[in-house]
Amino acid sequence: DQQVKQNSPSLSVQEGRISILNCDYTNSMFDYFLWYKKYPAEGPTFLISISSIKDKNEDGRFTVFLNKSAKHLSLHIVPSQPGDSAVYFCASRKKSSGDKLTFGTGTRLAVRP
Amino acid sequence: DVKVTQSSRYLVKRTGEKVFLECVQDMDHENMFWYRQDPGLGLRLIYFSYDVKMKEKGDIPEGYSVSREKKERFSLILESASTNQTSMYLCASSVTGINQPQHFGDGTRLSIL
Repeated sequence: DQQVKQNSPSLSVQEGRISILNCDYTNSMFDYFLWYKKYPAEGPTFLISISSIKDKNEDGRFTVFLNKSAKHLSLHIVPSQPGDSAVYFCASRKKSSGDKLTFGTGTRLAVRP
Repeated sequence: DVKVTQSSRYLVKRTGEKVFLECVQDMDHENMFWYRQDPGLGLRLIYFSYDVKMKEKGDIPEGYSVSREKKERFSLILESASTNQTSMYLCASSVTGINQPQHFGDGTRLSIL
């Protein structure tokens, strides 16, 4: 039972354009959502997060949007850069589960120069 | 910066061997986690620990055990390695608190022959 879904395994975007990565979840008890970026042969690095009491969080070129009614979150990267090419994982946490995270399957982003 | 160190980047073992993967974090984090990452499956939680000598099963604990004798060190043990345990293994740690991300090591690529 995949509670966190990233339905697009890959995405290709031109440098300078916007990248939009999507994530859907099924469990309404999730209250904290995170995005991680992973380069090959490295561990995931934390990128940005959002609490369920907010609908938007911004950090430089990265913005995360949360639509609780649709159980959907998205990561916007503007403008996209070749160094953003990586696999992006969304993750969710239930308050009752402590710090345990449930991860999506990842989306591979390729930013073309 | 949080530093999570996994003892080996690459490891090759034989079927039936007992395998130890070690993880050390330097930030006095209470929580430590072991995941495996497989193509198309994302990160799946094997075991986690909220304190010394405490452990809890994650989503896929079969064939694995863990040990946490000191706060900074969390070991993953493959009791009798099998070929379906060939994978990328990732260790993470986090501090207990509201909305704190997990921090990952660079992973161990384990091959079971």
